[in-house]
Amino acid sequence: AQRVTQPEKLLSVFKGAPVELKCNYSYSGSPELFWYVQYSRQRLQLLLRHISRESIKGFTADLNKGETSFHLKKPFAQEEDSAMYYCALMGGANNLFFGTGTRLTVIP
Amino acid sequence: EPEVTQTPSHQVTQMGQEVILRCVPISNHLYFYWYRQILGQKVEFLVSFYNNEISEKSEIFDDQFSVERPDGSNFTLKIRSTKLEDSAMYFCASRAWGGVSNEQFFGPGTRLTVL
Repeated sequence: AQRVTQPEKLLSVFKGAPVELKCNYSYSGSPELFWYVQYSRQRLQLLLRHISRESIKGFTADLNKGETSFHLKKPFAQEEDSAMYYCALMGGANNLFFGTGTRLTVIP
Repeated sequence: EPEVTQTPSHQVTQMGQEVILRCVPISNHLYFYWYRQILGQKVEFLVSFYNNEISEKSEIFDDQFSVERPDGSNFTLKIRSTKLEDSAMYFCASRAWGGVSNEQFFGPGTRLTVL
């Protein structure tokens, strides 16, 4: 069965500090992983996906199949990064399985 | 930029009543989804819909739930007889056909409160 684990419900960092939001997954097939972000009073929106290996808003995430992880990282956090972050795994029928989310607060 | 829209933004109903949640997906998208998020919990997949039929559904999506695309633009989720535990935020999402991207675009959600 597929599962996504985000161990931290809350994470606070100071502006300019590095940030890492952890995500671990369990999936029997070849995983396709995403990070979605939800800013205050806005809808869920895609931040990045592992297959495109891109950096969006300074965030990167590398799929580590050995550790079954897809941690989200940014070297220097900004206040506007404060949001709810969800790691998600795409299942066989292209439906998404979400983690419980991490609320990131960047302290000025 | 086109967006998924959902109505109403908030629905309050009595236990046992039927509710219909409405979604207008992005116009050229072919795959449609409903998810829900109970307060304080994770977003959970309910059902996916393609080519006018259900592709997959979760254990949550029991006989009380149904989906429909009645007119080629709307995508609805009906709950026949609501229970207290159906209170949640319901998100609609849509996805285009194929390509590299499997990105699902989400609506703003409908908050359902069952009293």
